[in-house]
Amino acid sequence: DQQVKQNSPSLSVQEGRISILNCDYTNSMFDYFLWYKKYPAEGPTFLISISSIKDKNEDGRFTVFLNKSAKHLSLHIVPSQPGDSAVYFCAASARGGSEKLVFGKGTKLTVNP
Amino acid sequence: SAVISQKPSRDICQRGTSLTIQCQVDSQVTMMFWYRQQPGQSLTLIATANQGSEATYESGFVIDKFPISRPNLTFSTLTVSNMSPEDSSIYLCSVVPVRSSGAFFGQGTRLTVV
Repeated sequence: DQQVKQNSPSLSVQEGRISILNCDYTNSMFDYFLWYKKYPAEGPTFLISISSIKDKNEDGRFTVFLNKSAKHLSLHIVPSQPGDSAVYFCAASARGGSEKLVFGKGTKLTVNP
Repeated sequence: SAVISQKPSRDICQRGTSLTIQCQVDSQVTMMFWYRQQPGQSLTLIATANQGSEATYESGFVIDKFPISRPNLTFSTLTVSNMSPEDSSIYLCSVVPVRSSGAFFGQGTRLTVV
């Protein structure tokens, strides 16, 4: 039973355009959501998070949107840069982020110059 | 955030042997976790490392195979015992710092079993 789903294994965009990565979840107990970026041979790097009491959180070029009724969240990167090319993982947690994380399978983003 | 030092960064081991991975954090944390990422797969939680008591294992993971220690708030070890090629993965230490939400990760240990 996959509780966090990233249905697009890969995404390719042009430099300067918007990248939109999607994530769906099934567990209603999740109330904290995170996005991580991972380069090969490195651990995941925390990017941005959002609590279920919000529907949007923004940090520089990165914005996460949460639609609780649809159990869907998305990460927007604007403008996309070649250095953003990596695998992006969506993760969810209960109890405000203090519980274990459940990860999606990841989306490989390629930003073409 | 927290600075997490994980050692070794990579290793190639013979089947049937064991490897102990260390995770050291530069500040006190509330939670420490161990994850595994098999080739082409997502991150899967192995166990929660509890200070001064036995770790809490997820379904499919057992203490005999993955013994974990956490003697204090900033240090933990994961041992991969009696290794087989199927244990070839990246093993990751993760922590939740005090007064923080969300987890931070070490750089991972890339294990290859031959």
